[in-house]
Amino acid sequence: EVQLVQSGAEVKKPGESLKISCKGSGYSFTSFWIAWVRQMPGKGLEWMGIIYPGDSDTRYSPSFQGQVTISADKSITTAYLQWSSLKASDTAMYYCARPRGSGGFIGFDIWGQGTMVTVSS
Amino acid sequence: EIVMTQSPATLSVSPGERATLSCRASQSVSSDLAWYQQKPGQAPRLLIYGASTRATGIPARFSGSGSGTEFTLTISSLQSEDFAVYYCQQYNGWPPHPFGGGTKVEIK
Repeated sequence: EVQLVQSGAEVKKPGESLKISCKGSGYSFTSFWIAWVRQMPGKGLEWMGIIYPGDSDTRYSPSFQGQVTISADKSITTAYLQWSSLKASDTAMYYCARPRGSGGFIGFDIWGQGTMVTVSS
Repeated sequence: EIVMTQSPATLSVSPGERATLSCRASQSVSSDLAWYQQKPGQAPRLLIYGASTRATGIPARFSGSGSGTEFTLTISSLQSEDFAVYYCQQYNGWPPHPFGGGTKVEIK
């Protein structure tokens, strides 16, 4: 079964660092892009960035460039989203998602279950 | 960056009626447009890609149309399980590939 399994919920304080994960299984991890999507409480979906684990090519939305870092470790088929200094406004559900075609971007048909990040003092 | 605009923000429809949702791109995205459904507490689900191709397992009452900058998602006869939020997303060319702001389909 093709699936993405994300790490568990996190509660952090402002200024702390964080790295959440998304483990892919059941498919060729290095052949598909993996994207990260933010959903703030009660709000819509925001495309943050995407990585191709095969060569670590990474693209960011201008809104998130410099605010987060996306990476991947193909040896353990896992993608990551990390922050060096969290803010209260980073409180959100974060999803990883995989497009339906290898090497392309055609619609995300596989989604992780989401990781809730809460940042509060 | 291409901006995706969905309308209306909320659509009130009675069960069994037709729902028509719109999505507009700020510049042409050809047919590189996907639609998603999201229910509370769940991850989004892919409904349509290529503007008009239903994803695996999606009922025929869901249909997509359009190309260029104007797109439509039609739900021909709303079932109780269809009340949800719907998002469009363009994936033309290289990233970023933004989503629209969403349309909430609620029971009238």
